[in-house]
Amino acid sequence: GESVGLHLPTLSVQEGDNSIINCAYSNSASDYFIWYKQESGKGPQFIIDIRSNMDKRQGQRVTVLLNKTVKHLSLQIAATQPGDSAVYFCAENMGDYKLSFGAGTTVTVRA
Amino acid sequence: DTAVSQTPKYLVTQMGNDKSIKCEQNLGHDTMYWYKQDSKKFLKIMFSYNNKELIINETVPNRFSPKSPDKAHLNLHINSLELGDSAVYFCASSQRDGEKLFFGSGTQLSVL
Repeated sequence: GESVGLHLPTLSVQEGDNSIINCAYSNSASDYFIWYKQESGKGPQFIIDIRSNMDKRQGQRVTVLLNKTVKHLSLQIAATQPGDSAVYFCAENMGDYKLSFGAGTTVTVRA
Repeated sequence: DTAVSQTPKYLVTQMGNDKSIKCEQNLGHDTMYWYKQDSKKFLKIMFSYNNKELIINETVPNRFSPKSPDKAHLNLHINSLELGDSAVYFCASSQRDGEKLFFGSGTQLSVL
């Protein structure tokens, strides 16, 4: 499953499929980006980060892609599992000592 | 051991009251933050402290007063609570400003 466009608030994906969550960031001067996962009743949890001098970074079952030309960030989750159901946030550091968060995408994994 | 812990988890109070939320981190980080998450899950920074000094204050009403007695603690005191203050408040910390924040589990504030 994939969220498309600037932002899609919800994404439903079949268990075992790959998920792609998209994010458009606002500032071309941003040099650091993070993806967070927030499960119900918990605080946001770090998933993966990437600096602006890279265009791809891989973690365990996750990959972040950065396209600076169009100011676009995506998170790919391989073989989505029920435990991946959560709200996912992208965040950017615009060089002003703080992280600014996007609106979040709710991912629901169907069994 | 919880890295960033905040108390209480839930806070229900009447309009006009004063309340505090406490936060502690055992990660040895220099920077701590308060974020507010509204009912639409939007996360917005309120304050940031680096080594006990205020570095960010995002036009938060002065009814909100953060206090950092040492770099491991950042408490939030709220005077004269209003209905619009109802939200989830998250404390966070990081090694460097604005990078890889570690969040607490949140305090759900309900103002009646």
